[in-house]
Amino acid sequence: EPEVTQTPSHQVTQMGQEVILRCVPISNHLYFYWYRQILGQKVEFLVSFYNNEISEKSEIFDDQFSVERPDGSNFTLKIRSTKLEDSAMYFCASSGGLGTQYFGPGTRLTVL
Amino acid sequence: SQQGEEDPQALSIQEGENATMNCSYKTSINNLQWYRQNSGRGLVHLILIRSNEREKHSGRLRVTLDTSKKSSSLLITASRAADTASYFCATDKDDYKLSFGAGTTVTVRA
Repeated sequence: EPEVTQTPSHQVTQMGQEVILRCVPISNHLYFYWYRQILGQKVEFLVSFYNNEISEKSEIFDDQFSVERPDGSNFTLKIRSTKLEDSAMYFCASSGGLGTQYFGPGTRLTVL
Repeated sequence: SQQGEEDPQALSIQEGENATMNCSYKTSINNLQWYRQNSGRGLVHLILIRSNEREKHSGRLRVTLDTSKKSSSLLITASRAADTASYFCATDKDDYKLSFGAGTTVTVRA
């Protein structure tokens, strides 16, 4: 069964460094998303992406964040200058447009 | 916000018993979905129910939706130890984002 994959599974970085989280959505899906979950808290929407542009973004998704679909398979989330409060599990999801979103296993980002 | 809120926050049951958890939300929705999350792991999609549906089944799962009360329930029948996880409801109004609740932590005792 097709699934969303994410790399790396765990990323440790120093405050102020740039990180890129990578995702490979399900191949025939058209809608792509990033969510995050701070330890012990709710899953929060960050951004959605469709037709090579951002469809919607949350207040969390400020100028430090960007997304890109550099080729036909990858979908990336970049954080330009990480802060301590960016430490969280980041989930990528994709959808074929019928509502169901399929999530990847997540990348645990730890900012020191 | 159309966020779902689950109730109860935590549930402990004996293996073989049924587990029921509820979700309430605030605004009109297109779909309501239930996800499972094992500790520290990814979100596994369980079931989606559309706003024009009232009940849906998938294996040991039964989901109901009452749009007049803005609420949904998830029933897991004949629970197993492997059902131990956190369960989240998530609502959407369009294709662009899901709003998640805080989740119900279910512990199934052997």
